[in-house]
Amino acid sequence: AQSVTQLGSHVSVSEGALVLLRCNYSSSVPPYLFWYVQYPNQGLQLLLKYTSAATLVKGINGFEAEFKKSETSFHLTKPSAHMSDAAEYFCAVRRGGYNKLIFGAGTRLAVHP
Amino acid sequence: KAGVTQTPRYLIKTRGQQVTLSCSPISGHRSVSWYQQTPGQGLQFLFEYFSETQRNKGNFPGRFSGRQFSNSRSEMNVSTLELGDSALYLCASSADSTSSYEQYFGPGTRLTVT
Repeated sequence: AQSVTQLGSHVSVSEGALVLLRCNYSSSVPPYLFWYVQYPNQGLQLLLKYTSAATLVKGINGFEAEFKKSETSFHLTKPSAHMSDAAEYFCAVRRGGYNKLIFGAGTRLAVHP
Repeated sequence: KAGVTQTPRYLIKTRGQQVTLSCSPISGHRSVSWYQQTPGQGLQFLFEYFSETQRNKGNFPGRFSGRQFSNSRSEMNVSTLELGDSALYLCASSADSTSSYEQYFGPGTRLTVT
């Protein structure tokens, strides 16, 4: 069965610092992987997706993620955090051919001055 | 294009009642999926509809049901509400359920059961 593990339910960084949010997946077949962001009282916004075209994926708002098959990881990074990045981030895996997303537990990112 | 819309945004119901939530997908999208988000269980998949047919179902009791209309709009219904049904219900639309089409989420309906 597919699953997603996000290491660290809370991450705190200083403004301007590197953001690293960790995601590991388990899947018996090459997965489709996604990162979503959720701001308070809002739905989920797609940041980026991996669909096997390229291992380094660039998304919106300066975020990117690298797919590493050997480590079964899909960590999300941003070189320089901004106050507006404070939100909850979810990694998700999708079973090929079906629109069922399996989400990680989420990581709440705090950015302090 | 307009995004995914969900109505109502907030709802308060009493235990034992039933509730219907509505979702209008992005124009041209034929797949609508529903998710429940709670602090304890996180984001969980409820079901997916594609061209008026349920294609996928999560592990929820039969009190949770849904349907999709010919214009792709979808409704989900929860009967005999329980306190544990209090959650944010999110719907997501996608152009298709094959290949790598991403899902776009609506703002959600916050259901409170008292």
